[in-house]
Amino acid sequence: SAVISQKPSRDICQRGTSLTIQCQVDSQVTMMFWYRQQPGQSLTLIATANQGSEATYESGFVIDKFPISRPNLTFSTLTVSNMSPEDSSIYLCSVEGTGTGEPQHFGDGTRLSIL
Amino acid sequence: AQSVTQLGSHVSVSEGALVLLRCNYSSSVPPYLFWYVQYPNQGLQLLLKYTTGATLVKGINGFEAEFKKSETSFHLTKPSAHMSDAAEYFCALGGGYQKVTFGTGTKLQVIP
Repeated sequence: SAVISQKPSRDICQRGTSLTIQCQVDSQVTMMFWYRQQPGQSLTLIATANQGSEATYESGFVIDKFPISRPNLTFSTLTVSNMSPEDSSIYLCSVEGTGTGEPQHFGDGTRLSIL
Repeated sequence: AQSVTQLGSHVSVSEGALVLLRCNYSSSVPPYLFWYVQYPNQGLQLLLKYTTGATLVKGINGFEAEFKKSETSFHLTKPSAHMSDAAEYFCALGGGYQKVTFGTGTKLQVIP
């Protein structure tokens, strides 16, 4: 299975600032996914990022708040913009399974706290 | 639309006792089902998966799950709990290129 590295692993930020989270995969993948896990909650999909096209955002998430880049088949970034305390969450990157019905694989996540 | 329901946000068992974590799903197409585990300060690790074929699937760390279509269930079990099993467990539906729907998670506490 793919090995996924996320940076940073955690950060504490001031409100109003922005943070870019990086996700690096050790193999080429078509689809990458970004999830948010709010404290005590399950995972919510933010967007799907395909190389060479604009990310597809889920309801409730907008590009201005969560811009995503996907410059190649092994890398993606998620920026959390103009942060507020409500953005304090774990942000997780995942990659597609290797075929129909195969599980996605996850990075260790970025633990973000906003003061 | 597809959905996943996990009964019990918190489950406590004694060390050595049976672990049973419940998951029910709703899907209009044949489901692909997964259990993930999340240890503190870590990401999600795949425990086991059901795609097609045998309905009793075995995973890592002694866990197994049985797919029951008639009950739309995919409960996770382990015969004997170990302290290291304390974590949060997520049932998920979908996979591959499909959007994955996660349950709300069950935190397992193992009491010595």
